Amino acid sequence: SQKIEQNSEALNIQEGKTATLTCNYTNYSPAYLQWYRQDPGRGPVFLLLIRENEKEKRKERLKVTFDTTLKQSLFHITASQPADSATYLCALSSGTYKYIFGTGTRLKVLA
Amino acid sequence: NAGVTQTPKFQVLKTGQSMTLQCAQDMNHNSMYWYRQDPGMGLRLIYYSASEGTTDKGEVPNGYNVSRLNKREFSLRLESAAPSQTSVYFCASGKDLIVYNEQFFGPGTRLTVL
Repeated sequence: SQKIEQNSEALNIQEGKTATLTCNYTNYSPAYLQWYRQDPGRGPVFLLLIRENEKEKRKERLKVTFDTTLKQSLFHITASQPADSATYLCALSSGTYKYIFGTGTRLKVLA
Repeated sequence: NAGVTQTPKFQVLKTGQSMTLQCAQDMNHNSMYWYRQDPGMGLRLIYYSASEGTTDKGEVPNGYNVSRLNKREFSLRLESAAPSQTSVYFCASGKDLIVYNEQFFGPGTRLTVL
């Protein structure tokens, strides 16, 4: 069955460093991948979308890579700040409007 | 713009009771969605609506019904609540039902069924 894996353990990093979160998938061939941010008690907020033919996408301090050979997406936040502390979700689609969401990785940026 | 709003924020039900979760968006979006989020599981799609007057089942529709009342509003009804429906429910909307549209989520409704 299709499976998306995000590290369930929280990632703690020091302010100013680059945070890297991983989204792995199996038994799936996604054509589109989205990343969302979710704060406690709130709904997810869209950050970035990347297509399978795009290796990398950037938006301000955010960078997403999509490696269909490794079946993996990496999400980077450069110059991280305490305000970046949140849970980050990846979501994959094979090409339809239906996305499968991962369980998310909690990031904590320490001041 | 309020974006996507949901009511209520919290609800406790007894097994067998019914209730309707309300969702409204003011972004003139065509598509709307209902998800549930449970610990250790990703968001799962319950029902969606491509446009006013249409609804379709998602991944986990059993025990739920929906109504797309108009373009703005999309409600989710639990006819006979069960403890397995204890969850956080999110409504979302998108400009259209196409793969590269982002989804805008509401703040969620935390539902407990005893």
